[in-house]
Amino acid sequence: DQQVKQNSPSLSVQEGRISILNCDYTNSMFDYFLWYKKYPAEGPTFLISISSIKDKNEDGRFTVFLNKSAKHLSLHIVPSQPGDSAVYFCAASGLTDSWGKLQFGAGTQVVVTP
Amino acid sequence: GAGVSQSPRYKVAKRGQDVALRCDPISGHVSLFWYQQALGQGPEFLTYFQNEAQLDKSGLPSDRFFAERPEGSVSTLKIQRTQQEDSAVYLCASTKGGKETQYFGPGTRLLVL
Repeated sequence: DQQVKQNSPSLSVQEGRISILNCDYTNSMFDYFLWYKKYPAEGPTFLISISSIKDKNEDGRFTVFLNKSAKHLSLHIVPSQPGDSAVYFCAASGLTDSWGKLQFGAGTQVVVTP
Repeated sequence: GAGVSQSPRYKVAKRGQDVALRCDPISGHVSLFWYQQALGQGPEFLTYFQNEAQLDKSGLPSDRFFAERPEGSVSTLKIQRTQQEDSAVYLCASTKGGKETQYFGPGTRLLVL
């Protein structure tokens, strides 16, 4: 059963505009959420994370929002740049999982056009 | 290099052949994870090591899959009698320990013919 879902397989956005990526989860025991970025033929690269005690975390152009009641998180990229074109994965880790095993969504392919 | 490295980067195997995939974690990282990523999907957890101890192998899909980390650094994922459904990218990640950020290697792309 897929406990982390990214329902948009792809997103196209114009350079300079905002990219919004969404992620839903079903397991209420998840307490730590991460976003990874992946270029072709490379491993996922950590982007930003958020603990369940927060509802927002910001790092430069990247902001992650967490809505626990809706079991939903989103990643905002402002402004989008051509180098942001990649696959973005949402991942979650459980409260009962002391060593941080991650469950991933299927990913969203982002294309930033000039 | 300071990152996680994996070898080989690409492996083609005939069905029924045994394969061994290697992971070199970041120096000093206690925790090591293996994930399997099928085409068009996100990575799926296979197994976890804390130093040389394999603490979680709940994600290994069958008894054909075996992982080890005998000295608490380099790890090897072995797949015996490979099947076509084993074709995937195998990712290794390491952390300092606990629920720290996982740093991934580039992966090994396995194709079973």
